[in-house]
Amino acid sequence: DTGVSQDPRHKITKRGQNVTFRCDPISEHNRLYWYRQTLGQGPEFLTYFQNEAQLEKSRLLSDRFSAERPKGSFSTLEIQRTEQGDSAMYLCASSLEGTSYSPLHFGNGTRLTVT
Amino acid sequence: KQEVTQIPAALSVPEGENLVLNCSFTDSAIYNLQWFRQDPGKGLTSLLLIQSSQREQTSGRLNASLDKSSGRSTLYIAASQPGDSATYLCAAGTGNQFYFGTGTSLTVIP
Repeated sequence: DTGVSQDPRHKITKRGQNVTFRCDPISEHNRLYWYRQTLGQGPEFLTYFQNEAQLEKSRLLSDRFSAERPKGSFSTLEIQRTEQGDSAMYLCASSLEGTSYSPLHFGNGTRLTVT
Repeated sequence: KQEVTQIPAALSVPEGENLVLNCSFTDSAIYNLQWFRQDPGKGLTSLLLIQSSQREQTSGRLNASLDKSSGRSTLYIAASQPGDSATYLCAAGTGNQFYFGTGTSLTVIP
């Protein structure tokens, strides 16, 4: 169990640029979540995958945001035409869902700054 | 939509004191409730997960309770230590996602 890893740790970009983040979940976990957290707030749900299927997306996830999880392994979150309001910590989490619900395991996040 | 509230927003205690953090949620139809710890600039570390059929969970100096009918959970920390200083978040799980509170920032003074 090497934990959930996210890359990069920090990203600074100019408004209007596209950015892509990567998340590698714990290997046997079938669920993968993306959350966004701003200063002083709790994480807000963006989307989640069960294996390779994206099963739910928040209304927070505008059409500039897209997430994929090819082959049910790692996941990418892309933000197109970034805006200053996109500045936040983007957190990835994974869990193993079977007959009962298992704990969420989070990565250390990618901090995005849009200038 | 599930709303999760944590009180107090901040707490400062002397080392060695026992303390209770509170979490309330508006929709009792939850599958589980999870408590996390977050250090500055870092991700969340899972502390305890309580399934909806359970009343409490314990891990070391931590004890979490769940009362679904009243929409409340508490995290009890015994014999607090300076290393316990962090933000503590609770999250109500509905099966497809977790709804988070804004956290309680805990400072344990040596």
